[in-house]
Amino acid sequence: SQQGEEDPQALSIQEGENATMNCSYKTSINNLQWYRQNSGRGLVHLILIRSNEREKHSGRLRVTLDTSKKSSSLLITASRAADTASYFCAKGAGSYQLTFGKGTKLSVIP
Amino acid sequence: EAQVTQNPRYLITVTGKKLTVTCSQNMNHEYMSWYRQDPGLGLRQIYYSMNVEVTDKGDVPEGYKVSRKEKRNFPLILESPSPNQTSLYFCASSFRPGRGADTQYFGPGTRLTVL
Repeated sequence: SQQGEEDPQALSIQEGENATMNCSYKTSINNLQWYRQNSGRGLVHLILIRSNEREKHSGRLRVTLDTSKKSSSLLITASRAADTASYFCAKGAGSYQLTFGKGTKLSVIP
Repeated sequence: EAQVTQNPRYLITVTGKKLTVTCSQNMNHEYMSWYRQDPGLGLRQIYYSMNVEVTDKGDVPEGYKVSRKEKRNFPLILESPSPNQTSLYFCASSFRPGRGADTQYFGPGTRLTVL
C-alpha cells in the first residue's frame, strides 16, 4: 500500500519564486518525513516532523503538518536552479516501515 | 565518512541468472531496508531488517531474498531474475526502528536490467 501521496506531480517555477508541495495520507502517523532525490540518485533526508508538531523550519524549507486533515506541505522559499529534483514525503508509523509517495518533480528555471 | 554503499551500481543480466546486490553501512545502524523505484510507482519496500537475523517482508517481496548475518551488511538476492525486476534499487539504513521509523540514509542506487 502506498501512503503519502504528493501533489502536484510536477511543478515548474522561475528561480526566486517559492515552491509548495503537498502530501496527503490515509492513516495515523508518528512522523512524516520529506526527502529529495536528484535524477536517478539516492534520496536525501530533508526534514522530519512529528505528529505532535505543526510546523518546522530548516533553512529555506518550511514544513507544516495538519493531522486533522491528514496532510503536510513542504515550502521551499526563494528557489534556486539547484533545487530542481524530485521531492517525496514518507509516512512513519508504528510498523517500523517508512512508506513513500510517488513524489513531486520540481523544475526551477534559471 | 558515514555512508551506505551498494554494489554493483549498474548491472545488465539475463533471465534466470542468479545475482546478488550488496549493501553495507558504516553507521552501526540497526534498521536496514531495500526499495525498488519504478516510473509512476514511486518507492516500494521489498524487505527490511530490524537487526541481525531479523528480516521481514515489505510491500513487494516476491522474487527476492535477503539475509542479515552481520549488522553492517544486507544483501539483496534475486534467485531467478525476470524482466519485471528491471528497476532502480535502493538500500537504506536508520539508527533505530520503532517510534514510527527514524530518518533513513540511502545508498546511491543500483540500476538493474534483466533481459
